[in-house]
Amino acid sequence: DIQMTQSPSSLSASVGDRVTITCRASQTISRYLCWYQQKPGKAPKLLIYAASSLQTGVPSRFSGSGSGTDFTLTISSLQPEDFATYYCQQSDSTPKTFGGGTKVEIK
Amino acid sequence: EVQLVESGGGLVKPGGSLRLSCAATGFTFSDYDMNWVRQAPGKGLEWVSSITGTSTYIYYADSVKGRFTISRDNAQNSLYLQMNSLRAEDTAVYYCARAPTRVGPYDNWGQGTLVTVSS
Repeated sequence: DIQMTQSPSSLSASVGDRVTITCRASQTISRYLCWYQQKPGKAPKLLIYAASSLQTGVPSRFSGSGSGTDFTLTISSLQPEDFATYYCQQSDSTPKTFGGGTKVEIK
Repeated sequence: EVQLVESGGGLVKPGGSLRLSCAATGFTFSDYDMNWVRQAPGKGLEWVSSITGTSTYIYYADSVKGRFTISRDNAQNSLYLQMNSLRAEDTAVYYCARAPTRVGPYDNWGQGTLVTVSS
């Protein structure tokens, strides 16, 4: 099984900050990497697919990069509605494993 | 508008059974792979099971293999998860999610249904 390791597990940031979350796969997954945002009590929401493609309706302050084993989610200017938990997921092979999550909190 | 609505969750004793359903509207159901993902209280996301559009391929996490059965009824636009021999560690919110291809993202999710396994 492919293991997905996210870092950091949590971070504190202020509105307007640039935030970067990383995700590392235990083996190469090409660009089959997605990012989801989850708010408390809600279902996850797809932000980025194929490592860097922005899902329709997602603000352009979100961006993704990477290929192979190392990937990054960047929020260019953190907004109040962005405080949430973020998960990466590899879709290259079954089981479609998720990272452990990164909780973005208000500083 | 795409909608996925889960139902069937509840409180069940260890060793018991439960059947979850996911009703899909707003898209051609048979064109999509469907998936179950769960989230234990305060924990991260865990993929549980997947089924292709025509039910040709079915996959399970090792943690549920032999106890859970995924199925779908394309005529009824519905996805199911039959859960047997339930354990305390199966306690979680269960989400259904669709994927456009085998390697595609989970682009729409239901609101989830809570399963609690406790005596």
